[in-house]
Amino acid sequence: EAGVAQSPRYKIIEKRQSVAFWCNPISGHATLYWYQQILGQGPKLLIQFQNNGVVDDSQLPKDRFSAERLKGVDSTLKIQPAKLEDSAVYLCASSPRTTYTEAFFGQGTRLTVV
Amino acid sequence: GENVEQHPSTLSVQEGDSAVIKCTYSDSASNYFPWYKQELGKGPQLIIDIRSNVGEKKDQRIAVTLNKTAKHFSLHITETQPEDSAVYFCAASFPGGTSYGKLTFGQGTILTVHP
Repeated sequence: EAGVAQSPRYKIIEKRQSVAFWCNPISGHATLYWYQQILGQGPKLLIQFQNNGVVDDSQLPKDRFSAERLKGVDSTLKIQPAKLEDSAVYLCASSPRTTYTEAFFGQGTRLTVV
Repeated sequence: GENVEQHPSTLSVQEGDSAVIKCTYSDSASNYFPWYKQELGKGPQLIIDIRSNVGEKKDQRIAVTLNKTAKHFSLHITETQPEDSAVYFCAASFPGGTSYGKLTFGQGTILTVHP
């Protein structure tokens, strides 16, 4: 079974530039998550999709972050404009259900904003 | 919202010793508690989980205990091996409202097993 695929693996941008991350979840998984992991901290949920609908985006900085999940499969997370404090690893995860279920994580995208 | 505290932040043991990592959570409605292992450059990987209707669960060298009254749960690794060295995260999840299935993670524990 293929895992969660993310790209790119690494990205370096200047502040105020824009960047986009892509995620392809495990086939058949209805729930998709984007997490932000700052160095030395645990992952923090940014947004959660159930199929192609958003069920939780309470911690997404909506003035600069946006995410979409077209056709309930792939997802993209965008930052525009980026700030220095956005430097982090962005993890995508998927689950077959919403409760009592393992979240399968991708390898993440390491973003450095300079 | 849910808050998860994890201790210790770093843990160093000798090969063959046991390691214990503890977490506390704030929301009594939380009912699912997974533990993840994260190796350098990789995403977190589930190693064991427990639901709120169970007090203990074991899988070979790892075990998790849950005390719902005290709102804390612990990871126990016995007979540690160098390949157990990684960052370990606890998490808590609760159903209901718009946050069902949302995992709140602890801050992580860097475990180092010395040969």
